[in-house]
Amino acid sequence: KQEVTQIPAALSVPEGENLVLNCSFTDSAIYNLQWFRQDPGKGLTSLLLIQSSQREQTSGRLNASLDKSSGRSTLYIAASQPGDSATYLCAVSDSGNTGKLIFGQGTTLQVKP
Amino acid sequence: SAVISQKPSRDICQRGTSLTIQCQVDSQVTMMFWYRQQPGQSLTLIATANQGSEATYESGFVIDKFPISRPNLTFSTLTVSNMSPEDSSIYLCSGEGAYGYTFGSGTRLTVV
Repeated sequence: KQEVTQIPAALSVPEGENLVLNCSFTDSAIYNLQWFRQDPGKGLTSLLLIQSSQREQTSGRLNASLDKSSGRSTLYIAASQPGDSATYLCAVSDSGNTGKLIFGQGTTLQVKP
Repeated sequence: SAVISQKPSRDICQRGTSLTIQCQVDSQVTMMFWYRQQPGQSLTLIATANQGSEATYESGFVIDKFPISRPNLTFSTLTVSNMSPEDSSIYLCSGEGAYGYTFGSGTRLTVV
């Protein structure tokens, strides 16, 4: 059974810092991996999607990497801003491409001005 | 990308009653899903909503408790039946299409 773990559970940094969020999964047979952002009382916003054949994806100040063989992904946020404060969720889609997502517990990020 | 309108956004319900949550997508999506997010927890998949046929439920979730409909490619409902305080959660729908995934804003349910 696929399990997704995110470390740390919470993180507080001063504005301007670069930071890394970690995600690990137990079964390397995935179709893709995604990073989402969840703001309090809101739904999820997709940030980056990495297909199983890819190593990384970039969007603005965000860079996500994927090492499928070791079951790890990282989300790098450059020059953090208070607006980046949110919960970040990692999710994997199984190799059968059923569309089902298995989520990690999330990392709650606070960026202090 | 597609936009999903989910309603109600929140509700407080008496135990033993039922609540139906609706999701409307502004464009056709291939697949729709329903998730539950219990307090302080991550998202857990309840079921895959299949167009025109019975939903496919994950382990631990049953149709009698969470009946789901999906009459067309852009609309789905989830009913939480015979509610108890343990059903207090956020319920989210999701659609997958050519653009990737999009989520509704969630329904925060409190059962008293």
